[in-house]
Amino acid sequence: DTEVTQTPKHLVMGMTNKKSLKCEQHMGHRAMYWYKQKAKKPPELMFVYSYEKLSINESVPSRFSPECPNSSLLNLHLHALQPEDSALYLCASSQADRGAYEQYFGPGTRLTVT
Amino acid sequence: AQTVTQSQPEMSVQEAETVTLSCTYDTSESDYYLFWYKQPPSRQMILVIRQEAYKQQNATENRFSVNFQKAAKSFSLKISDSQLGDAAMYFCAYSFAGGTSYGKLTFGQGTILTVHP
Repeated sequence: DTEVTQTPKHLVMGMTNKKSLKCEQHMGHRAMYWYKQKAKKPPELMFVYSYEKLSINESVPSRFSPECPNSSLLNLHLHALQPEDSALYLCASSQADRGAYEQYFGPGTRLTVT
Repeated sequence: AQTVTQSQPEMSVQEAETVTLSCTYDTSESDYYLFWYKQPPSRQMILVIRQEAYKQQNATENRFSVNFQKAAKSFSLKISDSQLGDAAMYFCAYSFAGGTSYGKLTFGQGTILTVHP
């Protein structure tokens, strides 16, 4: 099974809402990633978890809050977002132990902030 | 800091023909990996091919092959016998291989490939 799943596929939320994005993988990967991607642009790294510990936070605003409850799950909690946060949010996973391993991407959650 | 440059924002190719997508990168590291990822419209990003910097042999995956020129820091992707399903945004990416227990990908800006029937 080489699949990364993400739910929901689409999300529309107001600026005062609280919502969560979910990502799951069962490949035994111990590194998981959140990316933000605008149309026709490359993904921008937001967070990296390695062995369930936050390893990288790329200066992401606090209205985005990641969580890694276990080695298979990754959540992204959203609160008080801005319209400019509308984007495709991608989750990825990889084997840990160096940066040698390819990342497997999920299909993404398309987020619209109104 | 590492940078990855894709100088061709858009490319097009006729079905069954061959096309080459360009990528250059800059790094002071000697141990790294390079990747080509494909992202079809509204579909999932998938890995096309992976190259280890310490290997001189160019990677090949079926119709996809790379021309890896380490000294020139060039990593181009050749697609042979292009198919309609090859139409996508292609991203070149770099990852430093050591020092951490995760990979941090540096992406190029992408090349949109159109395949004409």
